[in-house]
Formats: sequence, structure tokens, C-alpha cells
Amino acid sequence: NAGVTQTPKFRVLKTGQSMTLLCAQDMNHEYMYWYRQDPGMGLRLIHYSVGEGTTAKGEVPDGYNVSRLKKQNFLLGLESAAPSQTSVYFCASSYLGSTEAFFGQGTRLTVV
Amino acid sequence: DAKTTQPNSMESNEEEPVHLPCNHSTISGTDYIHWYRQLPSQGPEYVIHGLTSNVNNRMASLAIAEDRKSSTLILHRATLRDAAVYYCIPKSNFNKFYFGSGTKLNVKP
Repeated sequence: NAGVTQTPKFRVLKTGQSMTLLCAQDMNHEYMYWYRQDPGMGLRLIHYSVGEGTTAKGEVPDGYNVSRLKKQNFLLGLESAAPSQTSVYFCASSYLGSTEAFFGQGTRLTVV
Repeated sequence: DAKTTQPNSMESNEEEPVHLPCNHSTISGTDYIHWYRQLPSQGPEYVIHGLTSNVNNRMASLAIAEDRKSSTLILHRATLRDAAVYYCIPKSNFNKFYFGSGTKLNVKP
């Protein structure tokens, strides 16, 4: 049982490049989330999904897009990366109505 | 969502109890109080949650004030592995977790 798996773990992008971060969970959770964490700060919610085919904006959605074509996967896309998007990105998932979210190990992204 | 106030940092000696406070004066009646922690270089992990009554589990205890405007996470015997950032998160049943800056706990041997 892998839990929540994020791919890749590290990435360096040049300004203006695009990339997609993949989050996969094998717990059949309905809810999935993407967060970013800047140095010395707490996590901020980017986007979330309450089920396959649905997505919604969180606190800081600008510059990101997401898709949830399959229940087990939640993709985070950066169409034109900016240095301000340098951060550690965390994916999480949870059951509908559950109070416990499970987090991945994070993706460290640097935009130069 | 309710705003929270937590100390930026706290220090404890190993094997001693630790009381981590959280103020959430704007909490609504349906918000549960959740605590998560984040060990160095890892994603957050669930610790405990409660609504009105005090709660215990294998990791910690949660003491909730009678007016629900504050709560305290209690680690009964801190270990070096408990050194982490602890987040207090009031939220409703709808599944969105908003993290503040948390309390960084340092445990001294």
C-alpha cells in the first residue's frame, strides 16, 4: 500500500517552461488536494477536487491548473513557470467526510 | 474558516510533557479542531481531532476549552522524534484543510 505518491520528487525549471506534477493515491479517496509550502511558512491550498472530473480553487490558484480525469490521480500543471512558483508542493487525499488527510512526500520545484 | 493563533516556537526537554496551545476565537459551532504535525522534510501527518470533549489517542491528548475558543495539544512524554511543526486547524466537515504557520517544537535531549 503506497498511500500518496508524488512524481517527480525534484525538478528545476527555467522561467516560462511548463510542467505537470502527478499525484497518485491507492486508497480510493474521493478528495484530493494540492498545496504549496514556501520556506518557513505553512501550507497553502492551491486547488482541490471532491471527485473524479471535478476541481475547485483554493487560496492561491493563480498560475496553476489541475485535472482529475481518474479518481486515483490529481495533476497539477504550471503553464508558464515563474520564479515565484519556487516551492515545495504537497499532494494529499482523504475520504469523503473523513477528518484525516494523507500527504505525499512532496515535490521540490525550483524555477530559475 | 476560523483564524488561529499559535506560538511560533516552543522548546521541551526529552521525556517531559509538552503543552502546545492554539487560540481559535472565531471558530464556528460545527468546526472540528484538528492537529497535524510536519516532521522535517516530510508531508504533514494527522495527530488528533475533537469537537467539544477532550480526546486521547496513542500519539497525544487534545484538551478543548469549554467555550471552544482555544485548545491545547498535549504530548505526554516528548521524544526527539516529536520535533516538528505542529498545526492547529479548525474546520468544518467539508474537507478543506487550511494551515497556518504552526508551532515549531524543539525537543532537547
